[in-house]
Amino acid sequence: DAKTTQPTSMDCAEGRAANLPCNHSTISGNEYVYWYRQIHSQGPQYIIHGLKNNETNEMASLIITEDRKSSTLILPHATLRDTAVYYCIVRVLSGSARQLTFGSGTQLTVLP
Amino acid sequence: GAVVSQHPSWVICKSGTSVKIECRSLDFQATTMFWYRQFPKQSLMLMATSNEGSKATYEQGVEKDKFLINHASLTLSTLTVTSAHPEDSSFYICSGRNGRAGRHEQYFGPGTRLTVT
Repeated sequence: DAKTTQPTSMDCAEGRAANLPCNHSTISGNEYVYWYRQIHSQGPQYIIHGLKNNETNEMASLIITEDRKSSTLILPHATLRDTAVYYCIVRVLSGSARQLTFGSGTQLTVLP
Repeated sequence: GAVVSQHPSWVICKSGTSVKIECRSLDFQATTMFWYRQFPKQSLMLMATSNEGSKATYEQGVEKDKFLINHASLTLSTLTVTSAHPEDSSFYICSGRNGRAGRHEQYFGPGTRLTVT
C-alpha cells in the first residue's frame, strides 16, 4: 500500500471548516483513499473513502486532486467533538482480507 | 455503520496471569477480524488477522504462542494474552470486516485497556 504524509497537528476554530491535507504521491491506480479518526481512548471511526471523484457524506467531504497524489478531508463545521487524530490511509480495494495500515495521523484540535 | 463491541473495556491483571479479550460484531458477520495494539501516543499496530474457522496470521514480531487468537464464529473473536508482563500493557483494539458481502469497510471496537502490574 502507498505511503501517506500528513501534518502532525492542526488547530481549527469551532464552527469553521477544518481542512486536513494528505499526500500520497505514490498512489497506484487501484488504490483508494480512506479516512478514519480516533477520539482519545476509543477505537477508530470510519469517515469516508474515495477513488478519484470527490465524495461527500453526512460527516465530511473528500477532495482528491486530479493526479490523485493528494487529498483533503473537509469537516464543514467543526465542533469540539471533532477533536481527534485523523488518519489518511491508502489501500487496494479487493476481495482479499487486506488490513488497514495506520500512519501517525493528524491531531486536530478544535478550539472554542 | 456496523457495531463492534469489546469486553472488557479495561482490565488490570498481575504479571504471569492470562487475560482474555472478547470482540463481537453485533449486527454483521465478520468474516475477517483484525487485532491491533496501541501504545501511548503511538499509532495502531496490526498484530494479527484471522478468518472465521482458520488459524490467525500474525505480523512479524508478534508471538503467536503469547497472543492466542480464536475466531470460531462469524460474530466472535477472542484474544488471549498469556503469561502477561508489564510490557504487554497497552490498548488492544479489534476490527471486523464482512468480506462475503463485498464490503470493504473495517469497523472497530471501542478498545480494551490492559494494565499488567
